Amino acid sequence: GAVVSQHPSRVICKSGTSVKIECRSLDFQATTMFWYRQFPKQSLMLMATSNEGSKATYEQGVEKDKFLINHASLTLSTLTVTSAHPEDSSFYICSAMGEAFYNEQFFGPGTRLTVL
Amino acid sequence: TQLLEQSPQFLSIQEGENLTVYCNSSSVFSSLQWYRQEPGEGPVLLVTVVTGGEVKKLKRLTFQFGDARKDSSLHITAAQPGDTGLYLCAGERGKDSSYKLIFGSGTRLLVRP
Repeated sequence: GAVVSQHPSRVICKSGTSVKIECRSLDFQATTMFWYRQFPKQSLMLMATSNEGSKATYEQGVEKDKFLINHASLTLSTLTVTSAHPEDSSFYICSAMGEAFYNEQFFGPGTRLTVL
Repeated sequence: TQLLEQSPQFLSIQEGENLTVYCNSSSVFSSLQWYRQEPGEGPVLLVTVVTGGEVKKLKRLTFQFGDARKDSSLHITAAQPGDTGLYLCAGERGKDSSYKLIFGSGTRLLVRP
């Protein structure tokens, strides 16, 4: 199967700072990448969908100015949490989909963000 | 409100027992996927069911898609400690640029040795 990586795997930051999370498809071209957030003991909630070269589509209730998504290439998408606050602490997971794997999403290992 | 409700939310059983997890919705999905997720990791796809009434088997796991494509179940026979994890169903919606996965509320399974 295809491999998706995330970096960093965990990050601790101070309140008010910005944090960037990278999502890479290692062995395939990802035309679409998804960003999810998962709070402890809860399910995955879709935050946004990003297609290479175009603006991300955000789910209702997700602030696009706070969660900046960039999908500049077919193998890389980034999520920047701007002016992070403790309530942004969560497990952020990306997934990637490519034309070679019709409608199958491959998930990254997740990034644990803790905002102090 | 969760579009896809899973039950039970939590299940603790003894090794060797059987169990069933349910995934229910009032909406129709083009297909439904089941994932297992371990702590600190991303979910891993177990199976995709597409046709109403479809039954798929994966070793000790049996997946069923409801006739109306609104619900699904996962049955595990003779559970083992290695089956411990968070089980998630996810319904597929839309296509091309509007495609998305809607995840269920999750079922946390603990299999005690």
